[in-house]
Amino acid sequence: GENVEQHPSTLSVQEGDSAVIKCTYSDSASNYFPWYKQELGKRPQLIIDIRSNVGEKKDQRIAVTLNKTAKHFSLHITETQPEDSAVYFCAASKGGSYIPTFGRGTSLIVHP
Amino acid sequence: SQTIHQWPATLVQPVGSPLSLECTVEGTSNPNLYWYRQAAGRGLQLLFYSVGIGQISSEVPQNLSASRPQDRQFILSSKKLLLSDSGFYLCAWSGGQSDTEAFFGQGTRLTVV
Repeated sequence: GENVEQHPSTLSVQEGDSAVIKCTYSDSASNYFPWYKQELGKRPQLIIDIRSNVGEKKDQRIAVTLNKTAKHFSLHITETQPEDSAVYFCAASKGGSYIPTFGRGTSLIVHP
Repeated sequence: SQTIHQWPATLVQPVGSPLSLECTVEGTSNPNLYWYRQAAGRGLQLLFYSVGIGQISSEVPQNLSASRPQDRQFILSSKKLLLSDSGFYLCAWSGGQSDTEAFFGQGTRLTVV
């Protein structure tokens, strides 16, 4: 089955800095890569996603890049703000059942 | 629009007692349904998933079970809870026919005492 590795497990940055979270996947058939944000005590919610026919996608301060050859994808947050502090999960899924496999999560801490 | 309901939000149960967590989805048909557990760490551990009524796949062998008696209803059960069953349980659904995001319920904080 699919295996998703996520790094780092914890990321501490100063407000205004950029943050990068990286994930690798094992199944070359995976074609959908969402990123979720989970604030403390709340449910994970989608913040951005990318499909295998696209190399990069941006949404304001958030961007995701995908390298299908290397089987890795990354989340980039620019101009971080304290409200960006949360746990971020990457995931991968493929055609057919589209059951997502999640990474172990990255705890992002943005210091004001 | 689609919505997902999960209850209860919090639950304190003694060791050895039974468990029943319920999840329902509205506004869609034939969804993929999932139960995840989030223990003291942050990881989302997939416990069960279902691609249709009566079709349950277990990812982790344990004393929990799941059932899907109706298309949009997913139930997580246990006959006898263990201390190690404590955690944050999340139900989720996704579209089974296309590459779409997973939508999570509010979660149930289960404490086994």
